[in-house]
Amino acid sequence: SQTIHQWPATLVQPVGSPLSLECTVEGTSNPNLYWYRQAAGRGLQLLFYSVGIGQISSEVPQNLSASRPQDRQFILSSKKLLLSDSGFYLCAWSAHGYEQYFGPGTRLTVT
Amino acid sequence: ELKVEQNPLFLSMQEGKNYTIYCNYSTTSDRLYWYRQDPGKSLESLFVLLSNGAVKQEGRLMASLDTKARLSTLHITAAVHDLSATYFCAVPNSGGGADGLTFGKGTHLIIQP
Repeated sequence: SQTIHQWPATLVQPVGSPLSLECTVEGTSNPNLYWYRQAAGRGLQLLFYSVGIGQISSEVPQNLSASRPQDRQFILSSKKLLLSDSGFYLCAWSAHGYEQYFGPGTRLTVT
Repeated sequence: ELKVEQNPLFLSMQEGKNYTIYCNYSTTSDRLYWYRQDPGKSLESLFVLLSNGAVKQEGRLMASLDTKARLSTLHITAAVHDLSATYFCAVPNSGGGADGLTFGKGTHLIIQP
């Protein structure tokens, strides 16, 4: 069966510091991968998606970036965090456009 | 631009009552997803609706899809406290869905004894 991991689970970072969140999927090959952000008390916003290694599409202009160095690894990064980057970051995978399965999430607080 | 609207956004109801959550979307789609989120947790898939007229049921929850009306409903029958959660509907950004989902703002459901 497929599983999706995210780490860290929680993170507190000062404004201006760098960020690296990691997501890995097990039990499937060539998945579509997604990063979403959920601000406090709000819905989910799609940030990035990837249909293959090295292929990244950005949905929202911001100071975040994503990379996919391996087939089942998706990384979300920032060089300098803003207060507005605080939120619950969710990674998801799908088998080429079908149902998306979400990881446990990373709760980021920027102070 | 695809827009997904849910209503109500907040619902407080008593155990044993029935209620319906509505999800409207703005562009053509033949599929729609419902997710549940418990406080502080990730999203759990509830229903995958893949065609016009699709109906899925799981316990006290039933979801349906009308692609012509661009409307999905999530019906709760004889609510119990364990169903308290936030429910989201989501629509693929394109027909294939490879480019992600657009979510409604969620319906925060509280079921009181």
